[in-house]
Amino acid sequence: EAGVTQFPSHSVIEKGQTVTLRCDPISGHDNLYWYRRVMGKEIKFLLHFVKESKQDESGMPNNRFLAERTGGTYSTLKVQPAELEDSGVYFCASSQVLGRAKRGGYTFGSGTRLTVV
Amino acid sequence: AQTVTQSQPEMSVQEAETVTLSCTYDTSESDYYLFWYKQPPSRQMILVIRQEAYKQQNATENRFSVNFQKAAKSFSLKISDSQLGDAAMYFCAYRGRMDSSYKLIFGSGTRLLVRP
Repeated sequence: EAGVTQFPSHSVIEKGQTVTLRCDPISGHDNLYWYRRVMGKEIKFLLHFVKESKQDESGMPNNRFLAERTGGTYSTLKVQPAELEDSGVYFCASSQVLGRAKRGGYTFGSGTRLTVV
Repeated sequence: AQTVTQSQPEMSVQEAETVTLSCTYDTSESDYYLFWYKQPPSRQMILVIRQEAYKQQNATENRFSVNFQKAAKSFSLKISDSQLGDAAMYFCAYRGRMDSSYKLIFGSGTRLLVRP
């Protein structure tokens, strides 16, 4: 099966600009997660979609971040306006059913490296 | 809140030798899952091994094994007969049983270098 696809793989933008990251989960995976790793630090949870609904968005840092998953397929994460501290690697992961997710059986994408200058 | 700590930013091992990566965690829950994930350079993160807290027996997967010390809240990863392909970032992760989102809480990672 095709894996989780994220693009772009890298993005360099100026402070104040807008960037949209995209994640295409494995087809049929209802659960989609966004995580972020700020340089050298731990990977932190941002939010969890079940189909098109936000199940948990407790990790979203502030209202400059907007995540959507229209139609329960791909998801986008928009940062507007971007700040320097938003730099990091943004990971997406998907899982077919929560039972599988329960055991940590997520499929991760390769991440998008965002650099805000 | 649960936390995961990896105190070794970088480790180095000679090919064919054994290396142990450390991980400690903090939680008030009694039942949970622990994981080790591997991320090769520019590649996706993959699950290496998982441990269910209620199981006393340490998990093993081929050359990978864990030393799970529940009372000490320690979960180290041992890689035996290290290979060049083991070079990667390794992340320790926790997942509480009560979390309906099944989200993972990660440590900061350990970069493993394998010397030929």
